[in-house]
Amino acid sequence: DIQLTQSPSFLSASVGDRVTITCRASQGISSYLAWYQQKPGKAPKLLIYAASTLQSGVPSRFSGSGSGTEFTLTISSLQPEDFATYYCQQLNSYPHTFGGGTKVEIK
Amino acid sequence: EVQLLESGGGLVQPGGSLRLSCAASGFTFSSYAMSWVRQAPGKGLEWVSAISGSGGSTYYADSVKGRFTISRDNSKNTLYLQMNSLRAEDTAVYYCAKEIGCSGGSCYAEFDYWGQGTLVTVSS
Repeated sequence: DIQLTQSPSFLSASVGDRVTITCRASQGISSYLAWYQQKPGKAPKLLIYAASTLQSGVPSRFSGSGSGTEFTLTISSLQPEDFATYYCQQLNSYPHTFGGGTKVEIK
Repeated sequence: EVQLLESGGGLVQPGGSLRLSCAASGFTFSSYAMSWVRQAPGKGLEWVSAISGSGGSTYYADSVKGRFTISRDNSKNTLYLQMNSLRAEDTAVYYCAKEIGCSGGSCYAEFDYWGQGTLVTVSS
């Protein structure tokens, strides 16, 4: 199975900060990677698919990059509604594993 | 509008069984693969199982293989997860999710819609 390692697992940041979250795969997954945002008590929301394609309706301050084994999610200017937990997921092969998550909290 | 509505969760004793349902609407159900994802209390997301649009292909996480069965009834626009031999570690909120599908010659397995989740508690 492919393992995904997210870093950091916890991040404290201020409104307006540029934030970068990394997801590393245990083997190459091409661009078969998604990023989700989850707020407490809610279902996850798709932000990015195919590593870098912004899902419809998602603000352009979110961007994704990478291929192979290393991927990043960047929030260019953190907004109050962005404080949440972020997960990556690989879709290269079953099981479609998730990373452990990165919790973004207000500094 | 796409809607996914899970049901069937509840309290069950270890070793027991439960069947979850996910009623879908707002899209051509049979054209999309569907999945189950779970989240234990205070923990991260865990992919559980997936099924192709026709139902002919199924996939499972090692943690549930042999105990859980995913299925679908395309005439009823409903996805199911039959859970047998339940363990305490199966306690979680279970979400059903729809894959993006294929467009412009490319197919994407990412989940663009999720249900609200149903809580399964395995405890004596």
